[in-house]
Amino acid sequence: NAGVTQTPKFRVLKTGQSMTLLCAQDMNHEYMYWYRQDPGMGLRLIHYSVGEGTTAKGEVPDGYNVSRLKKQNFLLGLESAAPSQTSVYFCASSYEVGDADTDTQYFGPGTRLTVL
Amino acid sequence: GNSVTQMEGPVTLSEEAFLTINCTYTATGYPSLFWYVQYPGEGLQLLLKATKADDKGSNKGFEATYRKETTSFHLEKGSVQVSDSAVYFCALSAGGSNYKLTFGKGTLLTVNP
Repeated sequence: NAGVTQTPKFRVLKTGQSMTLLCAQDMNHEYMYWYRQDPGMGLRLIHYSVGEGTTAKGEVPDGYNVSRLKKQNFLLGLESAAPSQTSVYFCASSYEVGDADTDTQYFGPGTRLTVL
Repeated sequence: GNSVTQMEGPVTLSEEAFLTINCTYTATGYPSLFWYVQYPGEGLQLLLKATKADDKGSNKGFEATYRKETTSFHLEKGSVQVSDSAVYFCALSAGGSNYKLTFGKGTLLTVNP
């Protein structure tokens, strides 16, 4: 099992450009999450999904959109990047139906995004 | 709402020293509590968890006990190694229908030989 993978690992954008971050998991998890990590701020939830075809806003959703067309993939989009979106982005997944462990999240390696 | 407060870092220790990283929480109901570790350049990994009061989570020599009376989940290790240098995050899951995690801000631990 690869677990949770993220593409790309690094990216540099100019202000106003758009991009999509891809997260994939092979653990048959129902729930998926996107976080951003900034110095001194811990991890903050951007958006999450409780199943294929569903998405919901987290703590800091502005400027981001997400889609979950397939159960194993969760995409994070930036339509018009801003310097304030410079951060490290982590994807996570959790909860396989029938598993007693319902709330442990498994994280990807992260994407470091710089917006100039 | 839910919140997690953990001790400010950075924490610098010598090898074989005793480690405590304090974590307290605010939550309704009976949350599950977690410690995650992030090694340099990597994503977060689950270190240990506890799901009910008085439970003790343990892994790799680290321990934490779920104390409902003091709303705490302090991380301890009796003898740290250089390889334990990382950022440690305390987190809680209040359950419900989406199992979202609320994280503390993280504590950077550096262990010197």
